[in-house]
Amino acid sequence: QLQLQESGPGLVKPSETLSLTCNVSGGSITSSHYYWGWIRQSPGKGLEWIGSLSLGGNSHYNPSLRSRVTMSLDTPKNQFSLRLSLVTAADTAVYYCVTDRTNYSWDRLYYFNFWGQGHLVTVSS
Amino acid sequence: EIVLTQSPGTVSVSPGETATLSCRASQILNNDYLAWYQQRGGQAPRLLIYGASTRADDIADRFSGSGTGTDFTLTITGLEPEDFAMYYCQQYSDMLRTFGQGTKVEMK
Repeated sequence: QLQLQESGPGLVKPSETLSLTCNVSGGSITSSHYYWGWIRQSPGKGLEWIGSLSLGGNSHYNPSLRSRVTMSLDTPKNQFSLRLSLVTAADTAVYYCVTDRTNYSWDRLYYFNFWGQGHLVTVSS
Repeated sequence: EIVLTQSPGTVSVSPGETATLSCRASQILNNDYLAWYQQRGGQAPRLLIYGASTRADDIADRFSGSGTGTDFTLTITGLEPEDFAMYYCQQYSDMLRTFGQGTKVEMK
């Protein structure tokens, strides 16, 4: 069974870049038929999908965040990462890394079947 | 963007009873592409149901999903103490996946 674990700073200053890493265990990024994604949860906005990335380089992002989001995979380390630039207080949230179920053709995204435990990021000076 | 509206906001139920949660979509969900998640206090959400009615792996059969089109229901029969939690629906009919705001199942 896959296990995901987020890591990164818990405090980021406004206008800076939030960077998080998700370590995957119990399976390989290269052999699992998923996209690798990020979701955040805040009291104000609830659960919000940020984006998802496949091993083949296909990516899908929430249009509201696309201009500020970069995602990448590190296959030797079996990790994937999120960078969110120009953060404001509105980006304060618990960030979850997730597996994003896809279809055989890799062109449809479905639901989120494995979740990390979550990592609180606060944006404040 | 497809908006999901969950009701009620909070449902108060006694252990052993049945809770019925509703999720309404702002437009028809193709292929009934709707999932349900449970979130216990301080934990990550956990997938319960996908495809409106298919239980995920290792999910107890007291959880059942139904509905089609724009109206969906999660029913929890014989509530156990660990079932008192938040529940969210999520649609994947559109590539911009969205979640409902949640229903809290609390103990009466």
